[in-house]
Amino acid sequence: GAVVSQHPSRVICKSGTSVKIECRSLDFQATTMFWYRQFPKQSLMLMATSNEGSKATYEQGVEKDKFLINHASLTLSTLTVTSAHPEDSSFYICGVGGPNQPQHFGDGTRLSIL
Amino acid sequence: AQSVAQPEDQVNVAEGNPLTVKCTYSVSGNPYLFWYVQYPNRGLQFLLKYITGDNLVKGSYGFEAEFNKSQTSFHLKKPSALVSDSALYFCAVHNTDKLIFGTGTRLQVFP
Repeated sequence: GAVVSQHPSRVICKSGTSVKIECRSLDFQATTMFWYRQFPKQSLMLMATSNEGSKATYEQGVEKDKFLINHASLTLSTLTVTSAHPEDSSFYICGVGGPNQPQHFGDGTRLSIL
Repeated sequence: AQSVAQPEDQVNVAEGNPLTVKCTYSVSGNPYLFWYVQYPNRGLQFLLKYITGDNLVKGSYGFEAEFNKSQTSFHLKKPSALVSDSALYFCAVHNTDKLIFGTGTRLQVFP
């Protein structure tokens, strides 16, 4: 399966900072990548589907201007949390996979906004 | 709407005993079902999938799952639990191009 690298693994920063999270597919050309958010002791919630060379598809209730997604190549998608606030603190995970195939996930990014 | 349910927040089992983590699903059409495991502060690891064919699916680390169409279930099983199996387990159903996850079940295996 695909090997997915996610960076950074942990971020601690002040309120108002913008934070960029990278997701790389190391051995699989991914036209689509997925960004999830996981709250403590809860399931993964799909935030958006990142589409290479085009706009991301956001799930209902996810602010596009808050969570900027860029998928400029077949191996890299980035999620930028703009002007982050404490309520944005969470565990963010990216996933890579084709239709009806298992997704493979990065190790996640723990974001803590002070 | 397609969905999965994991009725148990936590399952406790003694090492060496068989374990079952329950999952039921609601889909239109043929279901594509998955199990994933998550260790602390890590992403999810794929365990096994059911797309079509044999109802008993074997996966990684000795896990297996049985697809039961009449009961709309896809329970995860292992004949003999290990302490290292302690983790968070997610059942998921594939919906068009998205995965929909259950709420997760924490498996605790006691020595």
